[in-house]
Amino acid sequence: GESVGLHLPTLSVQEGDNSIINCAYSNSASDYFIWYKQESGKGPQFIIDIRSNMDKRQGQRVTVLLNKTVKHLSLQIAATQPGDSAVYFCAEIMFSGGYNKLIFGAGTRLAVHP
Amino acid sequence: DTGVSQDPRHKITKRGQNVTFRCDPISEHNRLYWYRQTLGQGPEFLTYFQNEAQLEKSRLLSDRFSAERPKGSFSTLEIQRTEQGDSAMYLCASSHGDSRVNNEQFFGPGTRLTVL
Repeated sequence: GESVGLHLPTLSVQEGDNSIINCAYSNSASDYFIWYKQESGKGPQFIIDIRSNMDKRQGQRVTVLLNKTVKHLSLQIAATQPGDSAVYFCAEIMFSGGYNKLIFGAGTRLAVHP
Repeated sequence: DTGVSQDPRHKITKRGQNVTFRCDPISEHNRLYWYRQTLGQGPEFLTYFQNEAQLEKSRLLSDRFSAERPKGSFSTLEIQRTEQGDSAMYLCASSHGDSRVNNEQFFGPGTRLTVL
């Protein structure tokens, strides 16, 4: 079946460095893509989304890049902070049955070292 | 706190017992979702409600699982005759609106189930 997956299970970075988390997807019909952050013991928290007709979107310290040619999504975090340590999931959204269906990948753990 | 809440946060049960979890969505949200998450994996969709109507169920939702949202507000997820394979985090999320543009599902903290 079609799925969303991640290249790296764990990413370690130094505080202050930029982080890049990558994701590959297989469903070219997805309408949106979302990045979620999940801290230990908490539910996923929305970070940023991007529409399938865009290739870049910026938020506060985060940028999402979408390359539809190679079906690749990335999340860039500028000046990574200890509070950014978490598991990051990309998810694709398909509008199906009258609602937005989320399909998550397996996640990448980001560890920020001082 | 006006976010999504779930109760209990943790549940330990013996194999074969029934368990029930509750989710209270954000009050103005008419859409409610249940997900299951195992360690190291992303959440997997279980079921979706719009108001009180259960509109979609995943094949993951076996006949031992049942979900309700009787008044279109809070929802319950019951697992009958629990098995060790049911051990997971059960997440609830809610969202608002009918537009395709509105993508954000707000997640609760989850209920962690351990079946011994």
